[in-house]
Amino acid sequence: GENVEQHPSTLSVQEGDSAVIKCTYSDSASNYFPWYKQELGKRPQLIIDIRSNVGEKKDQRIAVTLNKTAKHFSLHITETQPEDSAVYFCAASIRPDSSYKLIFGSGTRLLVRP
Amino acid sequence: NAGVTQTPKFQVLKTGQSMTLQCAQDMNHNSMYWYRQDPGMGLRLIYYSASEGTTDKGEVPNGYNVSRLNKREFSLRLESAAPSQTSVYFCASRSDYLNTEAFFGQGTRLTVV
Repeated sequence: GENVEQHPSTLSVQEGDSAVIKCTYSDSASNYFPWYKQELGKRPQLIIDIRSNVGEKKDQRIAVTLNKTAKHFSLHITETQPEDSAVYFCAASIRPDSSYKLIFGSGTRLLVRP
Repeated sequence: NAGVTQTPKFQVLKTGQSMTLQCAQDMNHNSMYWYRQDPGMGLRLIYYSASEGTTDKGEVPNGYNVSRLNKREFSLRLESAAPSQTSVYFCASRSDYLNTEAFFGQGTRLTVV
């Protein structure tokens, strides 16, 4: 079946360092890959996304890269700040039939140490 | 524009009781989803619906039923709650036509004792 694997499950970095979270997906027909940030007790919210016709996308301190051949994509956060501490989820949009479903990875808990 | 609204926010059930979680969106989205979130397990898809009148099973559908009442509303029912269904439940919606982000409700924290 379709699945999305995410690593690492926890990540601790010093403030100002970079953080990288990696995901792999199984369905080669997947064409949309969002990343969500979830703060404690809150709902997941989109921080950046990428489509399958693009290899990289940046938005200030965050960037996402996609390697369709290897079926993996990564989130890069530079100059990390304490407010970046949260759980991050990757996801892949999969269309097994006439409708899409959005499958999520298991999450990465990022801790930015001041 | 409220986005995605879920009710209730919190619920405690006894084993064997039933309940329905409600979800409504006002963004004219065609697709709606129900996820459960457990520690270390991420967001697992329970059921989804691409349009009014259609529903499909996700990764963990056992013990649940859903109903897409109309384009706005998508409800999740637990017929006979079990302690293993203790979780945080999120409803989400998105536009398949645009293939864009999913918007989430605020979540329902359900405890089954």
